[in-house]
Amino acid sequence: SQTIHQWPATLVQPVGSPLSLECTVEGTSNPNLYWYRQAAGRGLQLLFYSVGIGQISSEVPQNLSASRPQDRQFILSSKKLLLSDSGFYLCAWQWTDYEQYFGPGTRLTVT
Amino acid sequence: TQLLEQSPQFLSIQEGENLTVYCNSSSVFSSLQWYRQEPGEGPVLLVTVVTGGEVKKLKRLTFQFGDARKDSSLHITAAQPGDTGLYLCAGPSGGYQKVTFGTGTKLQVIP
Repeated sequence: SQTIHQWPATLVQPVGSPLSLECTVEGTSNPNLYWYRQAAGRGLQLLFYSVGIGQISSEVPQNLSASRPQDRQFILSSKKLLLSDSGFYLCAWQWTDYEQYFGPGTRLTVT
Repeated sequence: TQLLEQSPQFLSIQEGENLTVYCNSSSVFSSLQWYRQEPGEGPVLLVTVVTGGEVKKLKRLTFQFGDARKDSSLHITAAQPGDTGLYLCAGPSGGYQKVTFGTGTKLQVIP
């Protein structure tokens, strides 16, 4: 069966510091991978998606970047965090039929 | 960009009551998914509806896809506290790779 991992679960970082969130998927090959951000109690904002190694599509111009160095690894980064980067970050994978499977999420607080 | 509007935004009901949540769009979708998300966790896929007019049941949850494939509803019978969470609808957007998520309905079931 497929499993998706995200870490860390919780992160508190000062403004201006760098960021690296990691997502890995087990039990599937060549999945589409996604990073979302979610404001409290609201829908999901798509940040980046990837259909293969090294292939990244950005949805929203912002202070963040993404990379996919391996087939089942997806990384979200920032060189300098802003207060507005606070939120709940979710990684998801998709194989077919638009059904997405999510990781447990990372709660990021920028202080 | 295809938008999905959900209503109501918030719903607080007593245990044992019935409720219906709506997901509407001005665009036609080839399929729609419903997810439930508990606080601090990632969304979990509940069901996919594909055919206009389709009805799917998952225990006390009944999902319906509109005849024109522009809307969907989720009906919960005899709600229980375990049904508490954020309900999200979602559908394909902009090609095979992406999914649009609805605005969400936050449900609280009071014991």
